[in-house]
Amino acid sequence: AQSVAQPEDQVNVAEGNPLTVKCTYSVSGNPYLFWYVQYPNRGLQFLLKYITGDNLVKGSYGFEAEFNKSQTSFHLKKPSALVSDSALYFCAVRDKRYDYKLSFGAGTTVTVRA
Amino acid sequence: GAVVSQHPSRVICKSGTSVKIECRSLDFQATTMFWYRQFPKKSLMLMATSNEGSKATYEQGVEKDKFLINHASLTLSTLTVTSAHPEDSSFYICSAPGQQSSYNEQFFGPGTRLTVL
Repeated sequence: AQSVAQPEDQVNVAEGNPLTVKCTYSVSGNPYLFWYVQYPNRGLQFLLKYITGDNLVKGSYGFEAEFNKSQTSFHLKKPSALVSDSALYFCAVRDKRYDYKLSFGAGTTVTVRA
Repeated sequence: GAVVSQHPSRVICKSGTSVKIECRSLDFQATTMFWYRQFPKKSLMLMATSNEGSKATYEQGVEKDKFLINHASLTLSTLTVTSAHPEDSSFYICSAPGQQSSYNEQFFGPGTRLTVL
């Protein structure tokens, strides 16, 4: 079984401040972790993924995430948020390497105020 | 990256009619595609896995006779909502795993907003 928890429904930050969106996961095997962003009435856009290797993963639009195996976390971060980063963010996990089925967290709405 | 399209982007229909939604992989082949349903400000709920040349695999609680899936080719999967009712109104999103070099991630279509009157 696999699952993802995003403990915060909403995150509010001021433009220019650091942004963190939290994610913890549960899998029986090795995790493959993903972050996606969704703008209103749009599909999901891929931000970054962790498959193996360095725990710090850099992705699109200046986002990065750190895989922490001991804490089973994969928090999304951006050093300096922009108003345009306001969107719905989803963390997702996949357990089996050749099973593409993803489990999504509930999503976190990020609002960046000017 | 790989591109997935959906058609139509939005559809409004009367209760009792059937609606077909198409999902296409534009520049790659997809033997597997996924169909999700998303309620307002909620997460994605996986409905079914569409398999080219074979029957779709439905998640628990999803009515296969209600949501018909056909994966007729390596680039096209269709979801037909049969005898639609207002409770079927939702945002439907498809996805497909990318090509071998990026097989670990899925590429999502832009979604289809279904409104049943």
